[in-house]
Amino acid sequence: GEDVEQSLFLSVREGDSSVINCTYTDSSSTYLYWYKQEPGAGLQLLTYIFSNMDMKQDQRLTVLLNKKDKHLSLRIADTQTGDSAIYFCAESRGNAGNNRKLIWGLGTSLAVNP
Amino acid sequence: DAMVIQNPRYQVTQFGKPVTLSCSQTLNHNVMYWYQQKSSQAPKLLFHYYDKDFNNEADTPDNFQSRRPNTSFCFLDIRSPGLGDAAMYLCATSSPGAGSYEQYFGPGTRLTVT
Repeated sequence: GEDVEQSLFLSVREGDSSVINCTYTDSSSTYLYWYKQEPGAGLQLLTYIFSNMDMKQDQRLTVLLNKKDKHLSLRIADTQTGDSAIYFCAESRGNAGNNRKLIWGLGTSLAVNP
Repeated sequence: DAMVIQNPRYQVTQFGKPVTLSCSQTLNHNVMYWYQQKSSQAPKLLFHYYDKDFNNEADTPDNFQSRRPNTSFCFLDIRSPGLGDAAMYLCATSSPGAGSYEQYFGPGTRLTVT
């Protein structure tokens, strides 16, 4: 995860918005992803954004991409206790087809306090 | 529902005793991945199959092997598990034809080595 960086912890109050930030280094990345991992579970794809987009909204989730600064953020509106999890940012790198890989950040642990 | 299934969810093995973890998918995806994830870390790619083509990561120990007998199934074999191999093992699939290269994960198998 050395090329994708995230802050490790975020604590918010229930009902507030959460903003999880990520920076990446490969300007040729075509897709960037947010995954959610609850304790003891696999990774759930939340959303992804193509590099020619600035923003993508999906219900309570808003992804913002600043390609110039290589900065990606995930905003969760009206954060609920069920949103408590680790959130991983990942970028897609490599050639088309069988060499495409995901480069992962270390994950941001989101704690939602009642 | 189309999904990625991993069995068993929890596996206990003895030091040095070979163990096999299994993954199946109903998504009909070309690519299947195996990741190792240790506590508080990002997933680490071990290898992947693009159809029947096997792609090993350079730093994956020889102790880890994989088989993909058909599109739906993929196995992870650990020939001589050490204590350091205790981890969550995640299987994922993707379909390059989709263009967005997102990966879909199974629930994982938690391996304990005694």
